[in-house]
Amino acid sequence: DAKTTQPPSMDCAEGRAANLPCNHSTISGNEYVYWYRQIHSQGPQYIIHGLKNNETNEMASLIITEDRKSSTLILPHATLRDTAVYYCIVRVAFYNQGGKLIFGQGTELSVKP
Amino acid sequence: SQTIHQWPATLVQPVGSPLSLECTVEGTSNPNLYWYRQAAGRGLQLLFYSIGIGQISSEVPQNLSASRPQDRQFILSSKKLLLSDSGFYLCAFPPGGYGELFFGEGSRLTVL
Repeated sequence: DAKTTQPPSMDCAEGRAANLPCNHSTISGNEYVYWYRQIHSQGPQYIIHGLKNNETNEMASLIITEDRKSSTLILPHATLRDTAVYYCIVRVAFYNQGGKLIFGQGTELSVKP
Repeated sequence: SQTIHQWPATLVQPVGSPLSLECTVEGTSNPNLYWYRQAAGRGLQLLFYSIGIGQISSEVPQNLSASRPQDRQFILSSKKLLLSDSGFYLCAFPPGGYGELFFGEGSRLTVL
C-alpha cells in the first residue's frame, strides 16, 4: 500500500471549514484513499473514501487531485466534537475484504471556540 | 443491524498474569475479523486477522495469540503478560463495503 504524509497537527475555529491535507505521491491506479478519525479513548471511525472522483457524504467531502498524488478532507462546519486525530490511508480495496489498514500518525485536529 | 462488542472495557493486570479479551459481532456471517493495538501516544498496529473459524494470521511477532472458536467470536489471549502489552486493543470487521472497517469500543489494558 502506498505511503501517506500528513501534518502532525492543525487548528480550526469552530464553525469554519477544516481542510486536512494528505500526500500520497506513490499511489497506484487501483488504490483508494480512505479517511478515518479517532476521538480520544474511542475506536477509529470511518469517514469517507474515494478513488479519483470527489466524494461527499453527511460527514465530510473528499477532494482528490487530478493526478491523485494528494487529497484533502473537508469538514464544512467544524464543531468542537470534531476534535480528533484524522488518518489518511491508501490501499487497494476488494469488496468485503477490507481490514488490513496501515495507520500512520495522522493529523491531530483541534477545533477551538 | 451489524454490531461489534468488546469486553472487558478496562483491565488492570499484573505482569505474568494471563489475558483474555473477547470480541463478538452480530448481524453478519463469516466476517473477516481483526485485532489492532494502540500503544500510548502511537498509531494503530494490526496484530491478527482471521478470515474464518480456526484461521488466524499474525502480523507481528509478540507475546499474544488469537483464536476464533466461532464464526462471530474473536479472542485475544496471553499466557503471561509483559509491561509492553499495555495499550488500547481494538477489534474490527468490514461491514460489507469497499474496504471500510467498523471498530469496537476498545479494551484498555494496563499491565503493572
